Amino acid sequence: DAGVIQSPRHEVTEMGQEVTLRCKPISGHNSLFWYRQTMMRGLELLIYFNNNVPIDDSGMPEDRFSAKMPNASFSTLKIQPSEPRDSAVYFCASSVRLGRTSGNTIYFGEGSWLTVV
Amino acid sequence: ILNVEQSPQSLHVQEGDSTNFTCSFPSSNFYALHWYRWETAKSPEALFVMTLNGDEKKKGRISATLNTKEGYSYLYIKGSQPEDSATYLCASFYNQGGKLIFGQGTELSVKP
Repeated sequence: DAGVIQSPRHEVTEMGQEVTLRCKPISGHNSLFWYRQTMMRGLELLIYFNNNVPIDDSGMPEDRFSAKMPNASFSTLKIQPSEPRDSAVYFCASSVRLGRTSGNTIYFGEGSWLTVV
Repeated sequence: ILNVEQSPQSLHVQEGDSTNFTCSFPSSNFYALHWYRWETAKSPEALFVMTLNGDEKKKGRISATLNTKEGYSYLYIKGSQPEDSATYLCASFYNQGGKLIFGQGTELSVKP
């Protein structure tokens, strides 16, 4: 089975440009998460969706960041305009909906390595 | 603010040493504790999910325990091998919108 698929794997862009990161979750998973990994803050949750609906976007750093999930098999994370401090690895992850009794894990994609110069 | 703390931040051991590290988390509204193993340039992989106080899980030389009342979990590696070198992340799941909050990780380096 294919895991969580992210694209692009690597992107270098100039400050001010729009960046769109894409994610295809594992089929049948109904929770999707966007995380950002930096040296300073570790792995931080940006936003997550249950059944395509954004549940909590309190981790989105500012209005320059937006995320959508138009259907169960696709999500985007957009940064517009991008800034050098946005340089990080952005992970998408999916799971069957996390719950107390399920003990479900989340499955990560391989990450999108973003460098803004 | 939900804060998951891991210690130590990094650990350097010799091959064959046994080691352990700690994950601390707020115990109120706690649902589950996850451990992940994360190798450089790869994606984090799930090791364990524990939900009940006193839970113990084991996978090969790696085991974990959970104390939900005092809010901590230990991860143990018996007889460390160089291939165990990775960052070990714990994450706590809460009944506050279903968030999975990660700690900063413990970076383990095992020298042959």
